[in-house]
Amino acid sequence: RKEVEQDPGPFNVPEGATVAFNCTYSNSASQSFFWYRQDCRKEPKLLMSVYSSGNEDGRFTAQLNRASQYISLLIRDSKLSDSATYLCAVHMNSGGYQKVTFGTGTKLQVIP
Amino acid sequence: DVKVTQSSRYLVKRTGEKVFLECVQDMDHENMFWYRQDPGLGLRLIYFSYDVKMKEKGDIPEGYSVSREKKERFSLILESASTNQTSMYLCASSSPSGGSNEQFFGPGTRLTVL
Repeated sequence: RKEVEQDPGPFNVPEGATVAFNCTYSNSASQSFFWYRQDCRKEPKLLMSVYSSGNEDGRFTAQLNRASQYISLLIRDSKLSDSATYLCAVHMNSGGYQKVTFGTGTKLQVIP
Repeated sequence: DVKVTQSSRYLVKRTGEKVFLECVQDMDHENMFWYRQDPGLGLRLIYFSYDVKMKEKGDIPEGYSVSREKKERFSLILESASTNQTSMYLCASSSPSGGSNEQFFGPGTRLTVL
């Protein structure tokens, strides 16, 4: 089983729709979680951190479910500009260092 | 504005050549990382460094080495390039201070090995 798994998509959704992605992780000792956004031919950039209590930033909501070992990203009122690949990142302490593992990414295409 | 720069956006090399990919960050970050990104495989960690002159193997270190002689610079070396090392290479940096651990990425180097 992969350490971090995402559905690669693509998710094709109309403008204004609500879309949700999940990211599962295998190691229960994982400590911190993030969502990154990567535009085509660009580098990943942090979208938001994922806190135990969940967090919201405008149209974006991130949640963590430790019991089931997954994080989620919800995008409301999708815009064309939301089209991108969304990567989850999982941090874990390993041998005194923070080991980071990325998912393969979920591609979102918002269509007019 | 924080910045991670990489020496080349595009690079074409021949099999067997020695290849150097340079990465520089201006944020005084302790941590630096080299990833490669391939379709369907996502970002895979090659090597990382948590301090000057320190390096740790990531998930796919075979065929690569690294050097970190100065805090701001982290180099990836392909001793003898092979066609299966054709990929997008991304450098990143982060700092544990403040608890953020956000990774800042460079623009990437698309390497083609012929």
